[in-house]
Amino acid sequence: EAQVTQNPRYLITVTGKKLTVTCSQNMNHEYMSWYRQDPGLGLRQIYYSMNVEVTDKGDVPEGYKVSRKEKRNFPLILESPSPNQTSLYFCASTRAGVFPRGEQFFGPGTRLTVL
Amino acid sequence: GENVEQHPSTLSVQEGDSAVIKCTYSDSASNYFPWYKQELGKRPQLIIDIRSNVGEKKDQRIAVTLNKTAKHFSLHITETQPEDSAVYFCAANPNFGNEKLTFGTGTRLTIIP
Repeated sequence: EAQVTQNPRYLITVTGKKLTVTCSQNMNHEYMSWYRQDPGLGLRQIYYSMNVEVTDKGDVPEGYKVSRKEKRNFPLILESPSPNQTSLYFCASTRAGVFPRGEQFFGPGTRLTVL
Repeated sequence: GENVEQHPSTLSVQEGDSAVIKCTYSDSASNYFPWYKQELGKRPQLIIDIRSNVGEKKDQRIAVTLNKTAKHFSLHITETQPEDSAVYFCAANPNFGNEKLTFGTGTRLTIIP
């Protein structure tokens, strides 16, 4: 089954404790992206990756890191989480460089609470 | 960069009536406009999209219209049903270079039985 998976689905942590949210897709997609969803603000892009070893900042990258060592995986790293990073996080993937654009497939989401 | 505005933020309609959600975008280079539906506790999923060379697209009870001159596009849902209750997001993409989608802030649609 074609899918995007994320782990963990729920996480409660404390300020300053490093954490990683994993994202994996099995569709051989080149493009992967992380979004955060907050009430009234919609989905805002944190980081994206056009392919292996190619990553770039989105609209709200402060406080986050990513890596893309393999095509299928795109982990989101919070080195020193703060309460303002409490949010619902989604990973998404799609094919890159195709016209017209294809659907972006979203993972199930990770609800993060930073105390 | 692109900026997408979406209205209204909440919408309640009687079952069987129509619902319309409107979005405007700022980047005239954008020419791919998808709509995503997010049910409570679920992930966003694509329901329909439109490209700049098309003015309207329909899929059963759902339709999207695009006015490139005015830089706005709309989602129309006819004969609404309880399962249409969800949050709907519009988005825009320049269709070249980056695959990035810029999303609107969402519309919470509630269908009243």
